[in-house]
Amino acid sequence: GNSVTQMEGPVTLSEEAFLTINCTYTATGYPSLFWYVQYPGEGLQLLLKATKADDKGSNKGFEATYRKETTSFHLEKGSVQVSDSAVYFCALSEAAGNKLTFGGGTRVLVKP
Amino acid sequence: DAGITQSPRHKVTETGTPVTLRCHQTENHRYMYWYRQDPGHGLRLIHYSYGVKDTDKGEVSDGYSVSRSKTEDFLLTLESATSSQTSVYFCASSGRGETDTQYFGPGTRLTVL
Repeated sequence: GNSVTQMEGPVTLSEEAFLTINCTYTATGYPSLFWYVQYPGEGLQLLLKATKADDKGSNKGFEATYRKETTSFHLEKGSVQVSDSAVYFCALSEAAGNKLTFGGGTRVLVKP
Repeated sequence: DAGITQSPRHKVTETGTPVTLRCHQTENHRYMYWYRQDPGHGLRLIHYSYGVKDTDKGEVSDGYSVSRSKTEDFLLTLESATSSQTSVYFCASSGRGETDTQYFGPGTRLTVL
């Protein structure tokens, strides 16, 4: 079956530091890949997505590239802010039913 | 963002009682989903719906049932709640395409004593 593995947190950074969250996946077909973000006390919001190999998703200064050869979709941001403190989830979906499979989530804490 | 609401937002109940959670969306989305969120597990799919009266099981469906009598509403029922069903429950919906983005509700925190 499908699975998503992402690095465990918490990740603690200083403001303006570089952030990387690793995500690798296992899938039987050709999935779409997503990063969702959950701010404290809220539901999940889509941060970015990529639907085919070598696509790069980007939003709010975050980027991730769909790497089929390494089955990875690592999230990066060059200069984090305190407002980026949240839990980040990597996920995949395959076309049938558009069901999402999530990683365990990575909590990120950015200190001023 | 899609208009998707959940009710109640918080609920405390006792073991063995029935519980129904409601999800309501105003986007005329075809697909709707129920997930549970537990520490270390991310979100796991309980049930999903691909149209009115069309539902199917997800990864962790045991002990849960769903119904969808209207496009906008998707109900999750715990027939006899257990302590292992203490969790945060999220509803999501997505549009016509099978790869469309899923939009999530704010969540329901359920505690089973």
